[in-house]
Amino acid sequence: QKEVEQNSGPLSVPEGAIASLNCTYSDRGSQSFFWYRQYSGKSPELIMSIYSNGDKEDGRFTAQLNKASQYVSLLIRDSQPSDSATYLCAVNRMNRDDKIIFGKGTRLHILP
Amino acid sequence: DVKVTQSSRYLVKRTGEKVFLECVQDMDHENMFWYRQDPGLGLRLIYFSYDVKMKEKGDIPEGYSVSREKKERFSLILESASTNQTSMYLCASSSAGQIYEQYFGPGTRLTVT
Repeated sequence: QKEVEQNSGPLSVPEGAIASLNCTYSDRGSQSFFWYRQYSGKSPELIMSIYSNGDKEDGRFTAQLNKASQYVSLLIRDSQPSDSATYLCAVNRMNRDDKIIFGKGTRLHILP
Repeated sequence: DVKVTQSSRYLVKRTGEKVFLECVQDMDHENMFWYRQDPGLGLRLIYFSYDVKMKEKGDIPEGYSVSREKKERFSLILESASTNQTSMYLCASSSAGQIYEQYFGPGTRLTVT
């Protein structure tokens, strides 16, 4: 089982709709979860972090964490064309060296 | 404003050359990281450093070494470049209290011919 799994996409979402990005992880001891956004040709930037079960909201972004199901998601409300990017899920791996490991990313395309 | 800079955006080297990639951060961060990013393989950790002169291997250290003589500067060295080291190299830094919240530099696209 891969340490962090994401659907590679592309995920196409109409402008103004909700984009839902999903991520599963294998290390039950993981405590810290992150979403990075990477525009084409650019480097990743941190947009959300979540450490507790439940939802965390920041503007149009909501991160959701379910440790029992080993599942973390990112919702983007009122999607804009500027949200078109690759979204990387990252998780700390307690069973090894406590570094973060990145998923391969989901490519999101917002349709105008 | 947070700033991580890398010495080159694009670099072309020949097989067997010694290659130096430089990274500088101005945030007084303790932790610095080197990753490579390849299509289909994602971001993979090569080396990291949590203090001056300290280094630890990441997931793919073979063929690479690092140097951290000053807190703000972290160098990645390819001792003898090979074509399979053609990649995008990304440097990142983070503070001691927020090790996972990393700030990335713009990247260096290295081509080894």
